[in-house]
Amino acid sequence: ILNVEQSPQSLHVQEGDSTNFTCSFPSSNFYALHWYRWETAKSPEALFVMTLNGDEKKKGRISATLNTKEGYSYLYIKGSQPEDSATYLCAFIENGGQNFVFGPGTRLSVLP
Amino acid sequence: DGGITQSPKYLFRKEGQNVTLSCEQNLNHDAMYWYRQDPGQGLRLIYYSQIVNDFQKGDIAEGYSVSREKKESFPLTVTSAQKNPTAFYLCASSKSGLWAYGYTFGSGTRLTVV
Repeated sequence: ILNVEQSPQSLHVQEGDSTNFTCSFPSSNFYALHWYRWETAKSPEALFVMTLNGDEKKKGRISATLNTKEGYSYLYIKGSQPEDSATYLCAFIENGGQNFVFGPGTRLSVLP
Repeated sequence: DGGITQSPKYLFRKEGQNVTLSCEQNLNHDAMYWYRQDPGQGLRLIYYSQIVNDFQKGDIAEGYSVSREKKESFPLTVTSAQKNPTAFYLCASSKSGLWAYGYTFGSGTRLTVV
């Protein structure tokens, strides 16, 4: 079974702070990586789909980078707001794989 | 609006009973998935189906069963053989084989054994 790790497990920041967290995955046989945001009592929502080494994606104040050679992706949030409070999941699929493997998530709390 | 509907939101089961969790989608997605979440762990795949009348076991299929008689529906039965069924269950769908698209998730069912 593939191992996908996320760090930190949880994070508390003040409103206005910028923050980042990491998803680590096997560096061989990469095919695609997804990031999801999961707010309490809602469904996980797709943020980014990343497929190429060096990919950088941006959606408003949130951006993500991808390094497939070393097996990690960073998610950055600039100027965190309380509505950014959620669990952020990454999911990895290897080349030839049938399904995504999810990391355990990073739980972000933004304090007003 | 298209989406995935899971029901019920909360479900209580007595020891020894089978229960069925519903998952319906109107996105015309070919592939559907069932995941389980336990505290501190990532989503773990129970079963998935890429086309109607076909499904495959995921990483933790023991004690579960599924059917895929219609494209829109992928119900999950938690049988009495599942040793520790109390968990949060998420259903998802995707355009089959197209990994450039993310999953669309339902809002989940929380199952508690009493």
